[in-house]
Order: sequence, then structure tokens, then C-alpha cells
Amino acid sequence: EAGVVQSPRYKIIEKKQPVAFWCNPISGHNTLYWYLQNLGQGPELLIRYENEEAVDDSQLPKDRFSAERLKGVDSTLKIQPAELGDSAVYLCASSLDGTGSYEQYFGPGTRLTVT
Amino acid sequence: AQKVTQAQTEISVVEKEDVTLDCVYETRDTTYYLFWYKQPPSGELVFLIRRNSFDEQNEISGRYSWNFQKSTSSFNFTITASQVVDSAVYFCALSQFSGTYKYIFGTGTRLKVLA
Repeated sequence: EAGVVQSPRYKIIEKKQPVAFWCNPISGHNTLYWYLQNLGQGPELLIRYENEEAVDDSQLPKDRFSAERLKGVDSTLKIQPAELGDSAVYLCASSLDGTGSYEQYFGPGTRLTVT
Repeated sequence: AQKVTQAQTEISVVEKEDVTLDCVYETRDTTYYLFWYKQPPSGELVFLIRRNSFDEQNEISGRYSWNFQKSTSSFNFTITASQVVDSAVYFCALSQFSGTYKYIFGTGTRLKVLA
């Protein structure tokens, strides 16, 4: 069974440029998460989807970040415009459902560097 | 409020030594789940174990064992006879659902196993 797929693995952009990350979760997993991980820290939730509905986006900086999961499968996270402080690893994860009782499966992440 | 504390930022041991990683959590819920994840240098978080709040049985899986004690709100992880391949960052996480679903990671403990 394929795991969570993310692309690109690395991205270097100049500040004020837009950037997009893509995630394809494990087949059959209804819940999809986007996390931000800074160096030396644990993952911090940005947004959680149940199928195509964003059920928790309270930590998403909506002035510059957006996300979508149109068909309830793969998802895109966008930053526009990027700032220096956005440099981090962006992780995508999926789980069978969003009750919290199931473990999450993570992709390899996208390491973003904003110069 | 819910919180996960991993007070050990970094631990170094010599190969074959036993090592225990501490995790202390805070929650007001009676129903919750605890998890451990491993993040090797490659970056992808890997699920290790899940425990629900009603199951205080300790668990052993090969060289890994977990000690869950509700009385002290701890869910500690022990690696017996550590190996160099155990070198990674280990995260403890808490999941609960009381109206809104929350999934919180600790800040992680970096384990270095020296040959």
C-alpha cells in the first residue's frame, strides 16, 4: 500500500513569491492534515479536512495561506506571498477518520526555504 | 487545557544501553489517546504505538516498551539494548475529542545512540 505522497520535497523561493505544496493521502483515509514543523519542534496543525470539508482551520494564517481538498482525496496548500518566517517543513498526514482514535500516517514533508 | 511535555530535549547513550523517554500529558477529558512517533533523520514521522485512556496495560514490542500511568499522567517509552538505528527524534502525542477534536504533539526528544 502506498504511503502519503508529498511534492515537492524541497522548495527554495524568494520572499513575496507564491508557493504550493501537494499531498496525496493513503487511499481510504477520510481525514487529511497539514502541519508546520519548525526546527526542534513538534508538528503544529495548520488545517484538518474531513473528506472535502475543512473542519479545523483555526491555526491557518488565512491572510496568506490557503488550502483545498476539492474531491476529498488529494490536497494543495498554498502560501501567497511567502515571508522569511515561513521557512519550515510542511507535513501532510492522513488517518482513517477524525475521531482522534486512529494513528496518523505522515508524508516525507516539503522543506521550504524562503530567501 | 491539553498539553504534552517532553522535558528531555536530547539524550545520548552508548549502544546496548537502555534508555527511557519521558512523556507527561495534561487533559481534562476522561477519554483520550496517547501516541508515540519516531522521526528518523530522513524526516518522515512513523507511528509506533497508540494507547487509549482506559487501557493502562504496559506494552512490549521487541526492544520497545511503554509504561502508561494515569496516576502520574505519564506515558513513558523505553528502548532496551539501544542500537544506532534507534537514533531519531521521538514525539509523544495526545488526542482527545470533547466537542472539538484536538491532536497535540510534544516538542520531541532527540535520541543519539553512539556506537
